Amino acid sequence: DAGVTQSPTHLIKTRGQQVTLRCSPISGHKSVSWYQQVLGQGPQFIFQYYEKEERGRGNFPDRFSARQFPNYSSELNVNALLLGDSALYLCASSVAGTGVTEAFFGQGTRLTVV
Amino acid sequence: DQQVKQNSPSLSVQEGRISILNCDYTNSMFDYFLWYKKYPAEGPTFLISISSIKDKNEDGRFTVFLNKSAKHLSLHIVPSQPGDSAVYFCAASNLPNQAGTALIFGKGTTLSVSS
Repeated sequence: DAGVTQSPTHLIKTRGQQVTLRCSPISGHKSVSWYQQVLGQGPQFIFQYYEKEERGRGNFPDRFSARQFPNYSSELNVNALLLGDSALYLCASSVAGTGVTEAFFGQGTRLTVV
Repeated sequence: DQQVKQNSPSLSVQEGRISILNCDYTNSMFDYFLWYKKYPAEGPTFLISISSIKDKNEDGRFTVFLNKSAKHLSLHIVPSQPGDSAVYFCAASNLPNQAGTALIFGKGTTLSVSS
């Protein structure tokens, strides 16, 4: 069975640009969450989507947005990139109704802003 | 203001011995706790979880203990193996049946198991 897949795996962008990261959840999982992990820190919650609706949002600026599609895949968009947005972006999926219980993570997208 | 704290950045253990990783939390509303393991260039992998209605949960070599009064949990790995060398994250949440709940992670503890 395929796990959570994220694309691309690595990305280099210039300050001020916009970026879109993609995530496909495990088959049957309807909840997708996004996390940002900077070096030396634990993952920090950005968004959670369930049944195409935003169900939770972390303490991130409005430059960060996301959406979930009918097939439960998701995109994370970041506008007006800053150097501080350089991080590993993780997507996690979980079974509907169990929230964060046993959330399964993808391998992440390493974003570097120069 | 960290709600989940892993105060030991690193831990070194010999193969075959016990590894004990500790985690403290400050939010009394947390009622579900998880441990994840992370290798370089990979996403975190779920290890084991525990609900606040329990004080112990065991899965093979991994056991998690929860002390609610002390707001402390620990992960025991017995026996430790070199393949266990990774970064271990403690995470907490509340309302595990709500779709909009976030995981709050600690900063992680790097475990090194030597043979």
